[in-house]
Amino acid sequence: EAGVTQFPSHSVIEKGQTVTLRCDPISGHDNLYWYRRVMGKEIKFLLHFVKESKQDESGMPNNRFLAERTGGTYSTLKVQPAELEDSGVYFCASSHSLAAGTDTQYFGPGTRLTVL
Amino acid sequence: AQSVTQLDSQVPVFEEAPVELRCNYSSSVSVYLFWYVQYPNQGLQLLLKYLSGSTLVKSINGFEAEFNKSQTSFHLRKPSVHISDTAEYFCAVTKVNNAGNMLTFGGGTRLMVKP
Repeated sequence: EAGVTQFPSHSVIEKGQTVTLRCDPISGHDNLYWYRRVMGKEIKFLLHFVKESKQDESGMPNNRFLAERTGGTYSTLKVQPAELEDSGVYFCASSHSLAAGTDTQYFGPGTRLTVL
Repeated sequence: AQSVTQLDSQVPVFEEAPVELRCNYSSSVSVYLFWYVQYPNQGLQLLLKYLSGSTLVKSINGFEAEFNKSQTSFHLRKPSVHISDTAEYFCAVTKVNNAGNMLTFGGGTRLMVKP
């Protein structure tokens, strides 16, 4: 079974440009999460999809970030326009069911975003 | 809201020595607790978790963690480490019966095993 995959693995862009990150969850997983780790700090929750619907987007930092999950399969996270403070590692995770907190989240390797 | 504190950002240790990675949490509600590990150039992998029952939980590669409710801790231990245990370890919590299951992480502890 393939794990969670993320593309690209690295992205270097200039301030003001747009970047789109992609996450392919494990097949059959309804839940998809985005997290971010900035500058060696804590990994922080960004948002959660259940199939194609946004269940919780309380962690999204501002309206420069747009996440989509059309068709309930892969997800994209777009940053437009990118700012210096957006640099960090963006992780995607998926899980099969909600199961009241007990279901394991499987993480991808992350996308390292550098904004110059 | 919950918060997780990992007291040590880096832990250097010699091979075959014991190690303890400390994790403390703060929460007004009951939580489930997790340890994840990230090996170089890989994603986070679940190492072990505490949901209920016995407060001592073990992983398949020799790590164990004990949930201490009175001290709000979930320290990770291994009696004898290997070079291959070199990685970054993350403690995390999620609220019991949390509909969204979002994880709250600590800052991570980088375990560096030296020969």
